[in-house]
Amino acid sequence: AQSVTQPDIHITVSEGASLELRCNYSYGATPYLFWYVQSPGQGLQLLLKYFSGDTLVQGIKGFEAEFKRSQSSFNLRKPSVHWSDAAEYFCAVNNAGNMLTFGGGTRLMVKP
Amino acid sequence: EAQVTQNPRYLITVTGKKLTVTCSQNMNHEYMSWYRQDPGLGLRQIYYSMNVEVTDKGDVPEGYKVSRKEKRNFPLILESPSPNQTSLYFCASSAGTGLFWGYTFGSGTRLTVV
Repeated sequence: AQSVTQPDIHITVSEGASLELRCNYSYGATPYLFWYVQSPGQGLQLLLKYFSGDTLVQGIKGFEAEFKRSQSSFNLRKPSVHWSDAAEYFCAVNNAGNMLTFGGGTRLMVKP
Repeated sequence: EAQVTQNPRYLITVTGKKLTVTCSQNMNHEYMSWYRQDPGLGLRQIYYSMNVEVTDKGDVPEGYKVSRKEKRNFPLILESPSPNQTSLYFCASSAGTGLFWGYTFGSGTRLTVV
């Protein structure tokens, strides 16, 4: 069965610093990969997705993610974090149909 | 505005008292799904529906029922709620072409069973 691991439960960064959130998946073929963000009290919003092609994908709010097949990873990055980026971030993988498997989430806190 | 609407947002109930959480989408999406979110476990799928009258179990279906009589609505039914069903629930929908456009999520329903 496919699985998604987000090794960091909490991450704290200073405003203006760079950010990298880790995501590893286990799946035999190349999956479809997603990053979602959940602001407090809100539903999940799609940040970006990878289906095929260029392994570096750009998303909304200045986020990007890089698919590395050799490492089974799909890490999320942002060059300069803003206080409004404080939220919980979820990596997800799809193998067939419309079913998504989510990681446990990483809660990002931003220091002023 | 394109959206998925869940009701209620918050619900406290007692063990064994049947309840229904409603979900409605206005995007004419074929696919709808229910997830529960628990700390450290991310979101786990309860049930999903590929279209009207077509539903199937997700990863954690025990204790839940769903129905899809109309395309826009996908209610989640707890016939006899138990405390281990205390959780944050999300409804989501996507277009029939698959995940290309991503899911649209509702704002969530926080359920407490005492």
